Amino acid sequence: AQKVTQAQTEISVVEKEDVTLDCVYETRDTTYYLFWYKQPPSGELVFLIRRNSFDEQNEISGRYSWNFQKSTSSFNFTITASQVVDSAVYFCALRAMTGGFKTIFGAGTRLFVKA
Amino acid sequence: GAVVSQHPSWVICKSGTSVKIECRSLDFQATTMFWYRQFPKQSLMLMATSNEGSKATYEQGVEKDKFLINHASLTLSTLTVTSAHPEDSSFYICSARLTGQGARWNTEAFFGQGTRLTVV
Repeated sequence: AQKVTQAQTEISVVEKEDVTLDCVYETRDTTYYLFWYKQPPSGELVFLIRRNSFDEQNEISGRYSWNFQKSTSSFNFTITASQVVDSAVYFCALRAMTGGFKTIFGAGTRLFVKA
Repeated sequence: GAVVSQHPSWVICKSGTSVKIECRSLDFQATTMFWYRQFPKQSLMLMATSNEGSKATYEQGVEKDKFLINHASLTLSTLTVTSAHPEDSSFYICSARLTGQGARWNTEAFFGQGTRLTVV
């Protein structure tokens, strides 16, 4: 079965703090893709990153970075020097062949960044 | 990136009426589209997979007679909530995946902006 767990329901930080959002996934497939999406109050989903199961290289994009560790089935997301505009719900998601190519979402982590 | 447009962005309807939500891929063809439902402060739950020219595949627990899906063309899928009730009030989001030359199962799926349905 495919599953994505985001244990942190809500996180509150003060602007300029670094924050890490955790994501743990489950799949028996050897080939799969992991995603992170941002959902601001407006509701639309904003794609942040896609990572395939064969590429464990960490990625950095501006203030965002991702740490993919297959050994622990984790795909954590770090925002450096957080800003108020980062306040949103962040979803981690998994897509694997066994799942019929459906995207399975975690419960989401609501991030509050205070000025 | 590719654009997926949902219409309407929000709708209020009376209990017992039906509501149609459209999902369009504006600049690409999508053989497959997905419909999700998101209740307040909850995650996105897949309702059904919409396949162009064939019947939709519904997830367990989703009433196919209540949530009618039509995918008549490669750029349009519609979700009709029939005989809507207050408990159907939710945020409905569609996504579409690139198909055709160069597309693979791992291709990014693009999401519409969502439709907020309120049934009164």
